[in-house]
Amino acid sequence: GEDVEQSLFLSVREGDSSVINCTYTDSSSTYLYWYKQEPGAGLQLLTYIFSNMDMKQDQRLTVLLNKKDKHLSLRIADTQTGDSAIYFCAEWLGSGGSYIPTFGRGTSLIVHP
Amino acid sequence: DTGVSQNPRHKITKRGQNVTFRCDPISEHNRLYWYRQTLGQGPEFLTYFQNEAQLEKSRLLSDRFSAERPKGSFSTLEIQRTEQGDSAMYLCASSLAPGRRNEKLFFGSGTQLSVL
Repeated sequence: GEDVEQSLFLSVREGDSSVINCTYTDSSSTYLYWYKQEPGAGLQLLTYIFSNMDMKQDQRLTVLLNKKDKHLSLRIADTQTGDSAIYFCAEWLGSGGSYIPTFGRGTSLIVHP
Repeated sequence: DTGVSQNPRHKITKRGQNVTFRCDPISEHNRLYWYRQTLGQGPEFLTYFQNEAQLEKSRLLSDRFSAERPKGSFSTLEIQRTEQGDSAMYLCASSLAPGRRNEKLFFGSGTQLSVL
């Protein structure tokens, strides 16, 4: 997952907004994804954005895409304690028709009262 | 069929033993992936199948690792002669093949392997 870079930790107060950042590798990536992982569980797809979009909003989640800088962010509005988890950015990397879903190291979001 | 199922959830084994994990994907998904995840890291790709064909296996960590998907449905991941460094969470995911617009992975809960 070293091709996709994320900061490792983020701590926020309940009710504040959280912004999780990611730098991805392949400027031709067509889809970029955010996954959430709770302790002892697999990853759950949260949202994704198609590369021809700059922004996508889905309830409390807002994804921003800056293709020039290959920067992706996930904003969680009104963060709740249930949002505490690890968040992974992902893109499909490869060549010659063989693409592999590739994940960052994850950002651990800690929400405190 | 509500999701990807992995068995067992936990496996404790002694060094040198062989272990096998099973994954049942979402029924209509033709792609199946195996990942390994260690503490503090993101999922690390191991191999994947499209139907019964294993399309990428160069990232399997060593020749002790092998995977099968004989009928294009469930898959097994086997580790022979386990080592302590194999201790990790092994995740399975399934998806519809790229080229469609639903390029999303759906993960199972994983098998946590502990090698003593």
